[in-house]
Amino acid sequence: DIQMTQSPSSLSASVGDRVTITCQASRDISNYLNWYQQKPGRAPKLLIYDASNLETGVPSRFSGSGSGTDFTFTISSLQPEDIATYYCQQYDNVPVTFGGGTKVEIK
Amino acid sequence: EVQLVESGGGLVQPGGSLKLSCAASGFIISGSAMHWVRQASGKGLEWVGRIRSKPNNYATAYAASVRGRFTIFRDDLKNMAYLQMNSLKTEDTAVYYCTRLLSGGFDPWGQGTLVTVSS
Repeated sequence: DIQMTQSPSSLSASVGDRVTITCQASRDISNYLNWYQQKPGRAPKLLIYDASNLETGVPSRFSGSGSGTDFTFTISSLQPEDIATYYCQQYDNVPVTFGGGTKVEIK
Repeated sequence: EVQLVESGGGLVQPGGSLKLSCAASGFIISGSAMHWVRQASGKGLEWVGRIRSKPNNYATAYAASVRGRFTIFRDDLKNMAYLQMNSLKTEDTAVYYCTRLLSGGFDPWGQGTLVTVSS
């Protein structure tokens, strides 16, 4: 199985700050990497697919990059509505696996 | 509106069975792989399994934790997917989501249905 190591597990930042989350795959997954946002009590929401493609309707302050084993998710200017847990996910092979999540809070 | 709605969750005793349903609206599932993902309270997301489309022979795959106990099937004419869960364990307690694989990402997701396995 492909292990997805996501860090940090939580972070606290101020409104307007740049926030970066990393995800490392245990082996090469090309660009088969997605990022999701999950707010409390809600289903996950797809933000970034195939490592760097912004899902339709998602604000442009969200972005993703990387390929192979190392990936980065960035919020360029943190907004209050971005408070959530973020997950990376690989779908290069089954079983599909998720990172452990990053809980983003406002400082 | 593109939407998935799960149903069938509830309280079941260890060793029992439960069948979850996933109803799609606003799109036709026949061309898509359908996946199930679960989330225990306060925990992360765990992939449960998937069923591919007819051109891919309805191939299924499961997480090791549920293999042999859970079965995913689909009825494209009804635009529905299902998760049959047998020999349930307390550690299967979670919110279960169905979702579609679309161009690499899972979208949309249902609202989830809670399964509680307890005596």
